[in-house]
Amino acid sequence: DVKVTQSSRYLVKRTGEKVFLECVQDMDHENMFWYRQDPGLGLRLIYFSYDVKMKEKGDIPEGYSVSREKKERFSLILESASTNQTSMYLCASSWEQGTPYEQYFGPGTRLTVT
Amino acid sequence: AQSVTQPDIHITVSEGASLELRCNYSYGATPYLFWYVQSPGQGLQLLLKYFSGDTLVQGIKGFEAEFKRSQSSFNLRKPSVHWSDAAEYFCAVEDGNQFYFGTGTSLTVIP
Repeated sequence: DVKVTQSSRYLVKRTGEKVFLECVQDMDHENMFWYRQDPGLGLRLIYFSYDVKMKEKGDIPEGYSVSREKKERFSLILESASTNQTSMYLCASSWEQGTPYEQYFGPGTRLTVT
Repeated sequence: AQSVTQPDIHITVSEGASLELRCNYSYGATPYLFWYVQSPGQGLQLLLKYFSGDTLVQGIKGFEAEFKRSQSSFNLRKPSVHWSDAAEYFCAVEDGNQFYFGTGTSLTVIP
């Protein structure tokens, strides 16, 4: 079974803090994704990566950055957390770009910024 | 740009009743279509997918979906709903690079 794990299920941070969300997949997938999920807005793509050290902006990259130093790990970084970044964050992975493969999701991290 | 519309924000059905969740997409080429389910506090789980071939696809947990190109739809169905089906359902289209998700339909099942 494909497994995507996220470092925390729940996280509470203060405004201005630097926040790291970690995601690890164990299936040697090329592609990895970070989404945020908000009520009524569905899933919105923040960043994705189709190879180590490669990254592409999604629909809402402002206020976020990412890092992919190893194939299995994809980190989302909030440089200076703000209250409007309170959300559920979902990580996903899939096989190579350019072919129709489903995405496999982690359990999510619910981040609250106070 | 690709887009997915799920016109029903929330649906309530009785246990044992049939279910249909609607999904319409906007995409110029052959779409790759998916339905995912999200139980409360969980990540998304794939229910079924359509890439090509038979337009009626079977998935897990007794779900099926039918691709209708003429209507740009990919509606999800289940003949008899169980209480454990209460969850949020997302339709998605992939263009070979990115997924585009609908805003989701929340399903409540009443006994």
